[in-house]
Amino acid sequence: SQELEQSPQSLIVQEGKNLTINCTSSKTLYGLYWYKQKYGEGLIFLMMLQKGGEEKSHEKITAKLDEKKQQSSLHITASQPSHAGIYLCGALRSNDYKLSFGAGTTVTVRA
Amino acid sequence: DTGVSQNPRHKITKRGQNVTFRCDPISEHNRLYWYRQTLGQGPEFLTYFQNEAQLEKSRLLSDRFSAERPKGSFSTLEIQRTEQGDSAMYLCASSLRGTGNEKLFFGSGTQLSVL
Repeated sequence: SQELEQSPQSLIVQEGKNLTINCTSSKTLYGLYWYKQKYGEGLIFLMMLQKGGEEKSHEKITAKLDEKKQQSSLHITASQPSHAGIYLCGALRSNDYKLSFGAGTTVTVRA
Repeated sequence: DTGVSQNPRHKITKRGQNVTFRCDPISEHNRLYWYRQTLGQGPEFLTYFQNEAQLEKSRLLSDRFSAERPKGSFSTLEIQRTEQGDSAMYLCASSLRGTGNEKLFFGSGTQLSVL
């Protein structure tokens, strides 16, 4: 079962525009991971957030974790065709080893 | 660092046949995980190893599934008497426990199609 809610399920954005994906949990998280996946391929690690209020950026991608550690957002600035793919959030609920994933958000970037 | 390697990338089999997948983790990683992903869903946890010990198996892992990690290096996942419902992407991931900032790195997966 999917214990993480991702929204939107899919989105189409014009190249150069910004986009935001959200990931919400009903319970406090120990850690939150963001991955990107191309169709039929493996997951590429993007970022991991552990502290409430934490924000990390890499190139044009910024991820934030709220103070309550129940919601995270992934923001892409000035999207490019290379940003197209499926974005997955994965949650650690305690200091253990299992990630629970959301269903993913499919991003399409139109030239 | 060559990343997590999985073989084969694709496997087509007939119902009732046995299949085996292999995962080679990042060399210094002591934790290894197997996940399964179906179309339109996120990956679901199947099992995990710390070194050679299999420490947990999900309820998703029926008796037809078995995983091993001899010597704590590569791992194999075997499915016996495959069923059409086993069709999915099987993903392997590895991590290094104890770093305080544990990152899971995934392989490219093995896509299984059961006809």
